[in-house]
Amino acid sequence: AQKITQTQPGMFVQEKEAVTLDCTYDTSDQSYGLFWYKQPSSGEMIFLIYQGSYDEQNATEGRYSLNFQKARKSANLVISASQLGDSAMYFCAMRDRGSQGNLIFGKGTKLSVKP
Amino acid sequence: SQTIHQWPATLVQPVGSPLSLECTVEGTSNPNLYWYRQAAGRGLQLLFYSVGIGQISSEVPQNLSASRPQDRQFILSSKKLLLSDSGFYLCAWSVDSNTYNEQFFGPGTRLTVL
Repeated sequence: AQKITQTQPGMFVQEKEAVTLDCTYDTSDQSYGLFWYKQPSSGEMIFLIYQGSYDEQNATEGRYSLNFQKARKSANLVISASQLGDSAMYFCAMRDRGSQGNLIFGKGTKLSVKP
Repeated sequence: SQTIHQWPATLVQPVGSPLSLECTVEGTSNPNLYWYRQAAGRGLQLLFYSVGIGQISSEVPQNLSASRPQDRQFILSSKKLLLSDSGFYLCAWSVDSNTYNEQFFGPGTRLTVL
């Protein structure tokens, strides 16, 4: 069965420093997509970055990058130069053919950026 | 550009009362639509998804139901709310079921059942 694991319930990072949020996944499909979403206190889920299973290069989107290690089945999110506005919950998610296109979410990591 | 709306934004309802939450999408045709629930401090749980008008798939058996009367309208309903129905309800859309397409979420409805 598909599964997403985020082992860090909460993380602290100093403003302007980089932080890595961990995510491991489990799937038997060869074709799948990995996603990261940010959920600020307002509740809205904001799409950040995507990595396809066949993509050879790690995805990047501004200050966000995804450290994709396929053999380890990990898809860690790296946020560079943290800002106070980055404080939020972060969710890792996956879609594969077994999930019929539905997103499987991890339990999330709460990131707090300290000034 | 595409936008997704949800209303109401917040709702307080007594146990046993009915529920109707609405979600509409603009700027796209024939989207896949989803309803998720998020309990306080928890991850998202998929409740229903729809690939077309009148087509609803349920992921979790419960006292909730969903309908899609129009292409870009998705409604979540209940005849009698339970205390356990409290949570944050998010509607989402995607272009299709392709694994490479992200889902975009609405602003959510915070439901409190008393």
